[in-house]
Amino acid sequence: QSALTQPASVSGSPGQSITISCTGTSSDVGSNNRVSWYQQHPDKAPKLMIYEDTKRPPGVSNRFSGSKSDNTASLTISGLQAEDEADYYCCSNVNSRTWVFGGGTKVTVL
Amino acid sequence: QVQLVQSGTEVEKPGASVKVSCKASGYSFTKYAIQWVRRAPRQRLEWMGWINPGNGDTKYSREFQGRVTMTRDTSTNTAYMELSSLRSDDTAVYYCARSASWAFDNWGKGTLVIVSS
Repeated sequence: QSALTQPASVSGSPGQSITISCTGTSSDVGSNNRVSWYQQHPDKAPKLMIYEDTKRPPGVSNRFSGSKSDNTASLTISGLQAEDEADYYCCSNVNSRTWVFGGGTKVTVL
Repeated sequence: QVQLVQSGTEVEKPGASVKVSCKASGYSFTKYAIQWVRRAPRQRLEWMGWINPGNGDTKYSREFQGRVTMTRDTSTNTAYMELSSLRSDDTAVYYCARSASWAFDNWGKGTLVIVSS
Protein backbone atom coordinates (compact mmCIF):
# COMPACT_ATOMS: atom_id res chain seq x y z
CA GLN A 1 0.00 0.00 0.00
CA SER A 2 1.63 3.26 -1.12
CA ALA A 3 1.55 6.32 1.11
CA LEU A 4 -1.08 8.94 0.39
CA THR A 5 0.29 12.03 -1.38
CA GLN A 6 0.59 15.27 0.56
CA PRO A 7 2.59 18.42 -0.21
CA ALA A 8 5.86 18.41 1.70
CA SER A 9 5.32 21.89 3.06
CA VAL A 10 2.73 24.64 3.26
CA SER A 11 3.20 28.07 4.80
CA GLY A 12 1.07 31.05 5.65
CA SER A 13 1.04 34.24 7.67
CA PRO A 14 -0.83 34.59 10.97
CA GLY A 15 -4.54 35.03 10.34
CA GLN A 16 -4.46 33.52 6.86
CA SER A 17 -6.07 30.26 5.77
CA ILE A 18 -4.15 27.32 4.37
CA THR A 19 -5.28 24.03 2.86
CA ILE A 20 -3.40 20.74 2.86
CA SER A 21 -4.38 18.17 0.25
CA CYS A 22 -4.21 14.40 0.57
CA THR A 23 -4.52 12.40 -2.62
CA GLY A 24 -5.07 8.69 -2.80
CA THR A 25 -6.96 6.25 -4.98
CA SER A 26 -10.40 4.72 -5.20
CA SER A 27 -9.06 1.91 -2.99
CA ASP A 28 -8.28 4.19 -0.05
CA VAL A 29 -9.38 7.86 0.12
CA GLY A 30 -12.14 7.29 -2.41
CA SER A 31 -15.05 4.94 -2.06
CA ASN A 32 -16.53 4.54 1.41
CA ASN A 33 -13.27 4.82 3.30
CA ARG A 34 -12.81 7.39 6.06
CA VAL A 35 -10.03 9.95 6.26
CA SER A 36 -8.61 11.33 9.49
CA TRP A 37 -6.04 14.07 10.11
CA TYR A 38 -3.34 14.31 12.77
CA GLN A 39 -1.20 17.15 14.07
CA GLN A 40 2.25 16.32 15.42
CA HIS A 41 4.52 18.80 17.16
CA PRO A 42 8.23 17.93 17.52
CA ASP A 43 8.85 15.17 20.05
CA LYS A 44 5.16 14.86 20.81
CA ALA A 45 2.60 12.19 20.03
CA PRO A 46 0.21 12.81 17.13
CA LYS A 47 -3.15 14.40 17.97
CA LEU A 48 -6.41 13.63 16.19
CA MET A 49 -7.79 16.76 14.52
CA ILE A 50 -10.42 15.44 12.07
CA TYR A 51 -12.10 12.04 11.77
CA GLU A 52 -14.59 10.50 9.34
CA ASP A 53 -13.53 13.06 6.69
CA THR A 54 -15.16 16.12 8.28
CA LYS A 55 -15.81 15.64 12.01
CA ARG A 56 -13.92 17.45 14.77
CA PRO A 57 -13.26 15.72 18.11
CA PRO A 58 -14.25 17.60 21.27
CA GLY A 59 -11.67 20.20 22.18
CA VAL A 60 -10.30 20.73 18.67
CA SER A 61 -10.59 24.31 17.48
CA ASN A 62 -13.24 25.04 14.85
CA ARG A 63 -10.45 26.71 12.85
CA PHE A 64 -9.70 23.19 11.61
CA SER A 65 -12.03 21.70 9.01
CA GLY A 66 -11.93 18.70 6.72
CA SER A 67 -13.46 17.86 3.37
CA LYS A 68 -13.26 15.14 0.76
CA SER A 69 -14.04 14.88 -2.92
CA ASP A 70 -13.43 11.74 -4.96
CA ASN A 71 -9.89 10.57 -4.19
CA THR A 72 -8.69 13.77 -2.50
CA ALA A 73 -9.20 14.87 1.08
CA SER A 74 -8.29 18.31 2.41
CA LEU A 75 -7.56 19.92 5.76
CA THR A 76 -8.10 23.66 6.05
CA ILE A 77 -6.71 25.73 8.88
CA SER A 78 -8.28 29.16 9.08
CA GLY A 79 -7.02 32.08 11.16
CA LEU A 80 -3.54 30.56 11.22
CA GLN A 81 -1.76 30.86 14.59
CA ALA A 82 1.82 30.30 15.66
CA GLU A 83 0.79 27.20 17.64
CA ASP A 84 -0.45 25.59 14.40
CA GLU A 85 3.13 25.17 13.21
CA ALA A 86 3.58 21.39 13.15
CA ASP A 87 3.57 18.35 10.89
CA TYR A 88 0.17 17.20 9.62
CA TYR A 89 -0.71 13.72 8.40
CA CYS A 90 -3.76 12.38 6.67
CA CYS A 91 -4.73 8.75 7.15
CA SER A 92 -7.26 6.54 5.40
CA ASN A 93 -8.60 3.15 6.20
CA VAL A 94 -8.34 0.93 3.15
CA ASN A 95 -10.63 -2.04 3.54
CA SER A 96 -11.83 -1.73 7.12
CA ARG A 97 -8.86 -3.77 8.26
CA THR A 98 -5.80 -1.79 7.12
CA TRP A 99 -4.78 1.85 7.24
CA VAL A 100 -2.35 4.04 5.33
CA PHE A 101 -0.83 7.41 6.24
CA GLY A 102 0.15 10.27 3.98
CA GLY A 103 3.70 11.44 3.59
CA GLY A 104 3.16 14.36 5.97
CA THR A 105 3.08 18.13 5.48
CA LYS A 106 5.18 20.60 7.43
CA VAL A 107 3.16 23.73 8.17
CA THR A 108 5.18 26.88 8.75
CA VAL A 109 3.70 30.06 10.16
CA LEU A 110 5.64 32.95 8.65
CA GLN B 1 -9.93 9.95 31.07
CA VAL B 2 -8.45 7.66 28.46
CA GLN B 3 -4.74 7.00 29.02
CA LEU B 4 -2.26 4.84 27.19
CA VAL B 5 1.03 4.45 29.06
CA GLN B 6 3.92 2.96 27.11
CA SER B 7 7.12 1.32 28.27
CA GLY B 8 10.46 3.11 28.23
CA THR B 9 13.30 3.48 25.77
CA GLU B 10 14.87 0.29 24.45
CA VAL B 11 18.33 -0.16 22.94
CA GLU B 12 18.82 -3.36 20.96
CA LYS B 13 21.44 -4.88 18.68
CA PRO B 14 20.73 -5.75 15.04
CA GLY B 15 19.02 -9.12 14.76
CA ALA B 16 17.48 -8.93 18.23
CA SER B 17 13.82 -8.51 19.16
CA VAL B 18 12.04 -5.80 21.13
CA LYS B 19 8.72 -5.90 22.96
CA VAL B 20 6.89 -2.64 23.69
CA SER B 21 3.96 -2.45 26.10
CA CYS B 22 0.94 -0.14 26.17
CA LYS B 23 -1.20 -0.09 29.33
CA ALA B 24 -4.71 1.27 28.86
CA SER B 25 -6.94 2.91 31.45
CA GLY B 26 -10.05 5.06 31.61
CA TYR B 27 -12.19 2.98 29.24
CA SER B 28 -13.26 -0.59 28.54
CA PHE B 29 -10.08 -2.15 27.14
CA THR B 30 -11.79 -4.94 25.23
CA LYS B 31 -14.15 -2.68 23.31
CA TYR B 32 -11.62 -0.76 21.19
CA ALA B 33 -8.81 -1.97 18.95
CA ILE B 34 -5.25 -0.89 19.70
CA GLN B 35 -3.26 0.31 16.71
CA TRP B 36 0.53 0.52 16.45
CA VAL B 37 2.24 3.27 14.45
CA ARG B 38 5.90 4.21 14.20
CA ARG B 39 7.86 7.25 13.08
CA ALA B 40 11.50 6.84 12.14
CA PRO B 41 13.78 9.91 12.23
CA ARG B 42 12.91 12.34 9.43
CA GLN B 43 10.32 9.88 8.10
CA ARG B 44 6.53 9.81 7.96
CA LEU B 45 4.12 8.05 10.31
CA GLU B 46 3.87 4.39 9.33
CA TRP B 47 0.96 2.13 10.22
CA MET B 48 2.09 -1.25 11.58
CA GLY B 49 -1.10 -3.08 12.49
CA TRP B 50 -3.78 -3.53 15.11
CA ILE B 51 -5.09 -5.95 17.69
CA ASN B 52 -8.63 -6.44 18.90
CA PRO B 53 -8.21 -6.88 22.67
CA GLY B 54 -11.64 -8.48 22.87
CA ASN B 55 -10.80 -11.58 20.87
CA GLY B 56 -7.08 -11.26 20.05
CA ASP B 57 -7.70 -10.82 16.33
CA THR B 58 -4.80 -9.05 14.58
CA LYS B 59 -4.04 -7.47 11.24
CA TYR B 60 -0.51 -6.49 10.25
CA SER B 61 0.82 -4.23 7.53
CA ARG B 62 2.47 -6.15 4.72
CA GLU B 63 5.63 -4.17 5.48
CA PHE B 64 5.97 -5.92 8.85
CA GLN B 65 4.29 -9.25 8.19
CA GLY B 66 6.47 -12.04 9.52
CA ARG B 67 8.42 -9.77 11.87
CA VAL B 68 5.73 -8.27 14.10
CA THR B 69 3.52 -9.92 16.70
CA MET B 70 0.80 -8.08 18.60
CA THR B 71 -0.68 -9.57 21.75
CA ARG B 72 -2.72 -8.44 24.73
CA ASP B 73 -3.31 -9.29 28.38
CA THR B 74 -6.86 -8.50 29.38
CA SER B 75 -6.10 -9.08 33.07
CA THR B 76 -3.82 -6.01 33.07
CA ASN B 77 -5.38 -4.06 30.16
CA THR B 78 -2.05 -4.11 28.37
CA ALA B 79 -1.26 -4.48 24.68
CA TYR B 80 2.14 -5.56 23.40
CA MET B 81 3.99 -5.16 20.11
CA GLU B 82 7.02 -7.35 19.45
CA LEU B 83 9.28 -6.69 16.47
CA SER B 84 11.95 -9.23 15.58
CA SER B 85 15.03 -9.37 13.35
CA LEU B 86 15.70 -5.73 14.13
CA ARG B 87 17.66 -3.61 11.63
CA SER B 88 19.13 -0.15 12.01
CA ASP B 89 16.24 1.31 10.02
CA ASP B 90 13.83 0.05 12.69
CA THR B 91 15.17 2.83 14.92
CA ALA B 92 12.03 4.86 15.55
CA VAL B 93 9.47 6.04 18.06
CA TYR B 94 6.71 3.45 18.35
CA TYR B 95 3.22 4.59 19.33
CA CYS B 96 0.12 2.76 20.43
CA ALA B 97 -3.24 4.39 19.83
CA ARG B 98 -6.86 3.58 20.53
CA SER B 99 -8.96 3.03 17.42
CA ALA B 100 -12.44 4.54 17.27
CA SER B 101 -14.66 5.87 14.47
CA TRP B 102 -12.10 4.83 11.82
CA ALA B 103 -9.45 6.99 13.48
CA PHE B 104 -6.84 6.89 16.21
CA ASP B 105 -8.39 9.01 18.92
CA ASN B 106 -6.00 8.63 21.85
CA TRP B 107 -2.26 8.03 21.66
CA GLY B 108 0.47 6.91 23.99
CA LYS B 109 3.50 9.17 24.39
CA GLY B 110 5.65 6.82 22.34
CA THR B 111 8.53 4.43 22.99
CA LEU B 112 11.94 5.11 21.46
CA VAL B 113 13.60 2.00 20.09
CA ILE B 114 17.23 2.37 19.08
CA VAL B 115 18.85 -0.39 17.04
CA SER B 116 22.62 -0.11 17.12
CA SER B 117 25.60 -2.41 17.30
